[in-house]
This record gives sequence, structure tokens and C-alpha cells, in this order.
Amino acid sequence: QQQVKQSPQSLIVQKGGISIINCAYENTAFDYFPWYQQFPGKGPALLIAIRPDVSEKKEGRFTISFNKSAKQFSLHIMDSQPGDSATYFCASNRAGNNRKLIWGLGTSLAVNP
Amino acid sequence: GAGVSQTPSNKVTEKGKYVELRCDPISGHTALYWYRQSLGQGPEFLIYFQGTGAADDSGLPNDRFFAVRPEGSVSTLKIQRTERGDSAVYLCASRYPQGYEQYFGPGTRLTVT
Repeated sequence: QQQVKQSPQSLIVQKGGISIINCAYENTAFDYFPWYQQFPGKGPALLIAIRPDVSEKKEGRFTISFNKSAKQFSLHIMDSQPGDSATYFCASNRAGNNRKLIWGLGTSLAVNP
Repeated sequence: GAGVSQTPSNKVTEKGKYVELRCDPISGHTALYWYRQSLGQGPEFLIYFQGTGAADDSGLPNDRFFAVRPEGSVSTLKIQRTERGDSAVYLCASRYPQGYEQYFGPGTRLTVT
């Protein structure tokens, strides 16, 4: 049973375009929703995260949109750059479960120059 | 300050051998996690330490896997009688006790031949 479903599996965007990656979760007790960026051969790096008390969070070119009623959250990368080419993972966790992260399957993003 | 470090970065071993993987968390991070990431997948939770004790080992796949954190800092993941199916990247993450963010090390790529 996959508790966090991520789409699309892969994404190709032109430089300067907007990259959008979506995640849906099942457990309504989840209360922390991070996005991680992973380059080949590296560990996941925390990119941006949101808690359910807000519907949107922006940090530079990266924005998380959160829809609690739909149990969905998305990552928007504005003005995408070739250096953004990486695999992106959404994840979720909750208090009372030791904050262990439950992960999506990842989205491979390629930004063409 | 320094991030999470993991050693070795790569480990090749023969089937049936014993291996130890080391994680040095960020100073002051009492929470420590081990995850396993197979090719093309998101990380999967293995074990969680709060201080010296394993508070949640529900993700360990079988009794060949064991982890310790004797002084509440460095942790070692131990795998006995390795199998080819154990081949993966083993990731360590640490978290400040009152925080949500988990910070990952670069991982150890284990290959069992």
C-alpha cells in the first residue's frame, strides 16, 4: 500500500519554464510535507517543506501548494534551470510515529537548455 | 557546521559476508534514522534512534540487520550474512529533537556480489 503517490514519474521542461510535481497522501494524520532534491550519487537534500496550517509556502523559485481537503500537495519550480535537473521526492510524516518519512517514488526532472 | 557523514561511501562485499556501515549525525541531533534506497525508488525506513536506544526498528527487513548507537551520536548499521538483495544505498538522516527537518548524509552504496 503506497501511502504517498507522486506524479509524474518523469518530466521534461524547457529552461525558463515551470516544473510542477504532484503528490497525494492517504493518511489524514500526516502533518509535515517536505520535498527533497536528489542528484545522482548524492543523498536527498531538503528543498522546502510545509505544514497543514498554511496553503502555500514560497522559497525563492520553489513553491509548495497544499490542499488539505484533497489530501494533495505540489511542488512548483519557477524559471526552471538546467541545474535543477535531478530527482525530486515528496514525503510525509506525523507525530506519534517517530517522524519516519513515508516517500513517494520520485520524479526525474530534466530541464533542457 | 558539518552535515551528516557516512562511511564508507562504497562497499563491495561477497555474499555471506558481514558489513558495517557508519553514520555520524549533525552535532546536537538526538534523532537518527536509517533508510534504504533501491535503484529508482524512494528511500524506505529501516530504524529510528532517539538518543542511544532504538525507538522503532519496524523497518528492518529481517534479523540479519541490526543497528547500534551506543553513545547517542555515531550509529553503525550491521548486516550479517549479506545477500545480493541487500544491494542498495543506505542513507542516514538526523533531526534536531524538537524539529521536523531530517538532514541526510551522502549514503553508502552497498554492492553484494
